[in-house]
Amino acid sequence: NAGVTQTPKFQVLKTGQSMTLQCAQDMNHEYMSWYRQDPGMGLRLIHYSVGAGITDQGEVPNGYNVSRSTTEDFPLRLLSAAPSQTSVYFCASSSDRVWGANVLTFGAGSRLTVL
Amino acid sequence: AQSVTQLGSHVSVSEGALVLLRCNYSSSVPPYLFWYVQYPNQGLQLLLKYTSAATLVKGINGFEAEFKKSETSFHLTKPSAHMSDAAEYFCAVSDAGSTLGRLYFGRGTQLTVWP
Repeated sequence: NAGVTQTPKFQVLKTGQSMTLQCAQDMNHEYMSWYRQDPGMGLRLIHYSVGAGITDQGEVPNGYNVSRSTTEDFPLRLLSAAPSQTSVYFCASSSDRVWGANVLTFGAGSRLTVL
Repeated sequence: AQSVTQLGSHVSVSEGALVLLRCNYSSSVPPYLFWYVQYPNQGLQLLLKYTSAATLVKGINGFEAEFKKSETSFHLTKPSAHMSDAAEYFCAVSDAGSTLGRLYFGRGTQLTVWP
């Protein structure tokens, strides 16, 4: 089925370990983004991309890196995991060409625990 | 900068009762506004959006929202709650004048529907 696919669904890390959360979409969407969801905090934007080779920071970028080498993929890298990065991570994409009116298609989420 | 305030982190209603979820926004330019719903262990799905056309917006599952510029509000309503409406609801704002299309989410309102 077409949509946004995130892997893994669950991950447990130790402090200081690195890992990559994968995100892939098969809808040829230009816009992709990563959010983290924490209880009582809603969703906060980490990084986003408006096309291959173009990325920018959101509200809470510290501790995360991204790249966009293809239209389909937008991985999120944690270089040295910290307990504060325990969260549920959502990837979302959009093809809406009316800037500002993005209707996002969300993945199912990746639950990360950092011990 | 844009921001969204959702009044009430938890709302409980009886089945068949009116649902009212409150959202106020802050934006220096005309905004685009959205309501998303999140069912347990899933990603977010779009309920409805306002993009400066009609001020009363109808969405899926019988929900609607009214944009009131004078009150900077975009409250979500449904005349008669159903058990299947139990979920978390997020209001979001985007800057209509932006070429970036970033969404800023509220902290969410958990809706409980009692039989």
